[in-house]
Amino acid sequence: GAGVSQTPSNKVTEKGKYVELRCDPISGHTALYWYRQSLGQGPEFLIYFQGTGAADDSGLPNDRFFAVRPEGSVSTLKIQRTERGDSAVYLCASSAGTSPTDTQYFGPGTRLTVL
Amino acid sequence: AQSVTQLDSQVPVFEEAPVELRCNYSSSVSVYLFWYVQYPNQGLQLLLKYLSGSTLVESINGFEAEFNKSQTSFHLRKPSVHISDTAEYFCAVTLQGGSEKLVFGKGTKLTVNP
Repeated sequence: GAGVSQTPSNKVTEKGKYVELRCDPISGHTALYWYRQSLGQGPEFLIYFQGTGAADDSGLPNDRFFAVRPEGSVSTLKIQRTERGDSAVYLCASSAGTSPTDTQYFGPGTRLTVL
Repeated sequence: AQSVTQLDSQVPVFEEAPVELRCNYSSSVSVYLFWYVQYPNQGLQLLLKYLSGSTLVESINGFEAEFNKSQTSFHLRKPSVHISDTAEYFCAVTLQGGSEKLVFGKGTKLTVNP
């Protein structure tokens, strides 16, 4: 079946602009995660959804970052007033259940470049 | 807070040689442990995981990892590597009974040369 998909695959924007990154999880997966991977680093947790609600948003770096999952499926990560330091690959993952032992399946990522 | 250390950022080896990728973690509570692999131009894939029971876990492509609680380690090994094993490998932990978020190390780039 289809895996996790993310659009766009690449996004180039200018400092100060607003961007939206989209994630389509595996059908039926209730949990959805956003991570950010900077160059030379491992993925860093941003936010986790269980259904429609954000169960843990402790990784969002500041109030410029916001994510939604209004119908419990597709999620959008929104970044306001982008800064050059926001440049990274943004990864989305989904899992079938609510347990920490459930495998997280990752999408290919969106590479964001802020000029 | 928990953390993961992968001491080697790059590991070059020759084909058919053995390899060990090191991973140490720090946590005040019990954790679950994972190895993810990222092949060139592909997304992260789960390679293997330790949840409970036998401390030695194996993947379908010949990798194994052993959980060592006293040394807080979860090193990844393969007795004979192939060119196709060239990839970046990430060690990760998540808290037992805690948030489902994964905490990753910085990754180890394994390059297998002919």
